[in-house]
Amino acid sequence: AQTVTQSQPEMSVQEAETVTLSCTYDTSESDYYLFWYKQPPSRQMILVIRQEAYKQQNATENRFSVNFQKAAKSFSLKISDSQLGDAAMYFCAYRSFGGGATNKLIFGTGTLLAVQP
Amino acid sequence: NAGVTQTPKFQVLKTGQSMTLQCAQDMNHEYMSWYRQDPGMGLRLIHYSVGAGITDQGEVPNGYNVSRSTTEDFPLRLLSAAPSQTSVYFCASSYSWGSDTQYFGPGTRLTVL
Repeated sequence: AQTVTQSQPEMSVQEAETVTLSCTYDTSESDYYLFWYKQPPSRQMILVIRQEAYKQQNATENRFSVNFQKAAKSFSLKISDSQLGDAAMYFCAYRSFGGGATNKLIFGTGTLLAVQP
Repeated sequence: NAGVTQTPKFQVLKTGQSMTLQCAQDMNHEYMSWYRQDPGMGLRLIHYSVGAGITDQGEVPNGYNVSRSTTEDFPLRLLSAAPSQTSVYFCASSYSWGSDTQYFGPGTRLTVL
């Protein structure tokens, strides 16, 4: 069974600085998707970025980028020029490429990011 | 598009009561699912549906029931609420079973006393 581990329960960053959130996963599959979701205090789950495992190029969305290391099963999220609105819980998630029987997302336990003004 | 909507936003129940959490989407998505979020844990899949009339169990289905009579709606029923069901519940949908991106509703915070 696949697992997702986020080893940093809490992180803090100064406004305008860069922060990296860590995520590791375990799988025997070769094709899969990885995601970072943001959950602000409103509770809404917002997709930040996604990565297809078969693509070697790291995904980038504006100030958000990932460092995908397939062999190491590592998928970290880098937030550049941090803003106060980036303060939230961040979840790393895994999904089998074909969806599996359930198409389910497997989530890590989350990292709570605080942004200091 | 309203996206994925959930009602109510908050609910308090007494042990043994039943209730239905509503979920609707207006994106014509085939796939819908329910997750629960507990402190210190990620979201866990309760039930899912790959289309109208088709539902199946996820990781933690006990104590919950679902049905999918239309493409748009996917209600989650708590048959006899227990304190262990205190959680935040999220509904999610995607275009199809194989779609890689799921869209989440705003969640329902449920407390069972």
